[in-house]
Amino acid sequence: DIQMTQSPSSLSASVGDTVAITCRATQDIYMFLNWYQQRPGKAPRLLIYAAASLRSGVPSRFSGHASATGFTLTINTLQPEDFATYYCQQTYSVPPTFGQGTTVE
Amino acid sequence: EVQLLESGGGLVQPGGSMRLSCAASGFNFNNYAMTWVRQAPGKGLEWVSTISGGGGETFYADSVKGRFTVSRDRSSSTQYLQMTSLTTEDTAVYFCAKEAYSDFRTGQLYTRITEWGQGTRVTVSS
Repeated sequence: DIQMTQSPSSLSASVGDTVAITCRATQDIYMFLNWYQQRPGKAPRLLIYAAASLRSGVPSRFSGHASATGFTLTINTLQPEDFATYYCQQTYSVPPTFGQGTTVE
Repeated sequence: EVQLLESGGGLVQPGGSMRLSCAASGFNFNNYAMTWVRQAPGKGLEWVSTISGGGGETFYADSVKGRFTVSRDRSSSTQYLQMTSLTTEDTAVYFCAKEAYSDFRTGQLYTRITEWGQGTRVTVSS
């Protein structure tokens, strides 16, 4: 199985900050990488798919990037509703594994 | 509007069985693969199972293979997860989810979960 590791596990930020969350896989997953946001007590929702494609309706302050060292989710100008837990998920192979999550607090 | 409504959760004893249902509406159910994802208390997301839009292909996590069975009924637009031989490790909120495509072609299609239900809680305890 492909293991996904996110860093950091949590981060402290303020409204207006720019934050970056990284996700690395134990093998090459090309661009088969999704990002989800989960607010406390709620279901997750899709933000980014194919590593860098913004899901329709998701604010443009969210962006995804792939590089040789891994994948990054960046949130520009953090808003109050962005304080949540973020998960990456690889869909290169079954099982489609999730990272352990990064909490923005 | 897409809606996914889970039901069937609750308390069950170790070794017991339970069937979860997910009633879907707001989209052509037959055209999309459906997935179950679970989340143990205070933990992260764990993919459990996916069934293709036509129902002919099913996929399972190793942790549930041989104990859980996913199915779908096109006449009622409902997805099911039959769970047997439950252990305390299966305690979690189970989310029903809609995939982006009918086929679950990891590594070929940019598959992703586009819609989620609110989840149903399963507690395995004596």
